[in-house]
Amino acid sequence: DGGITQSPKYLFRKEGQNVTLSCEQNLNHDAMYWYRQDPGQGLRLIYYSQIVNDFQKGDIAEGYSVSREKKESFPLTVTSAQKNPTAFYLCASSPLAGVVYEQYFGPGTRLTVT
Amino acid sequence: DQQVKQNSPSLSVQEGRISILNCDYTNSMFDYFLWYKKYPAEGPTFLISISSIKDKNEDGRFTVFLNKSAKHLSLHIVPSQPGDSAVYFCAARGENTGNQFYFGTGTSLTVIP
Repeated sequence: DGGITQSPKYLFRKEGQNVTLSCEQNLNHDAMYWYRQDPGQGLRLIYYSQIVNDFQKGDIAEGYSVSREKKESFPLTVTSAQKNPTAFYLCASSPLAGVVYEQYFGPGTRLTVT
Repeated sequence: DQQVKQNSPSLSVQEGRISILNCDYTNSMFDYFLWYKKYPAEGPTFLISISSIKDKNEDGRFTVFLNKSAKHLSLHIVPSQPGDSAVYFCAARGENTGNQFYFGTGTSLTVIP
C-alpha cells in the first residue's frame, strides 16, 4: 500500500560525522519536503523539491543538503556544519507542484548526535 | 518571523464537550489552510482543510472556521473524545509561497474521560 517511508526511526551519530536520512514515497507525488521539529516548536522547513533534479532552501537549510535524482526519493544529509542536529526529522510529499493539496507525512526519524 | 501562530500551547477538555483550537496568521496572501493531528514520535496526519473562498468546512466531528478579516482560523471538535488527545498543528500556504507550507507551533489537546 502507498505511503512515505523514512528510515531509520532512530539514528545515533557522533559529532562531526555526516549522516543521511532516507525518505521514499510511492504515492507518485511531485513535491517532497523535509522538516525539522524541536520540542515546543512547530515544523520548520529545511528543503523542498517540486520536480526531479530541482530543490529549494527552506527557512533553516544551513548545515543540510539534499538531492532529488528520482521522483520517489528525497534523501537529506545532515552535515557536520549543522550546529544543533539533534531533532525529529519529518519528510512529506504532496501530489502536484503548484496545486494545493495536503501534505502526507512519513513516520519521522529521531536523530541524536553526541 | 512566525507567519502562523498558535498561542495556546495546551488545552484540556472534558470528554463530550467541545474543543476549540485557535490559529492566527499574518500573511494576507495565504489562501489555503490545513489542520494536522500528531501523536508523539509519529508524523502528522491530515485532518481537515479550508480554502480562503470559504468561511467554514465541516467533516464529521471536525469543523474549521476561517475569519479572513481577522486572519484567524479555528478548529472545533464536537464531541471531544479521549482518542482526540494529540498535538494539533495548523498550516497555511499562499500563491506567493509556491508550494511551501507554514506551520504553527502546535496545541496539545488533552481530552479527559
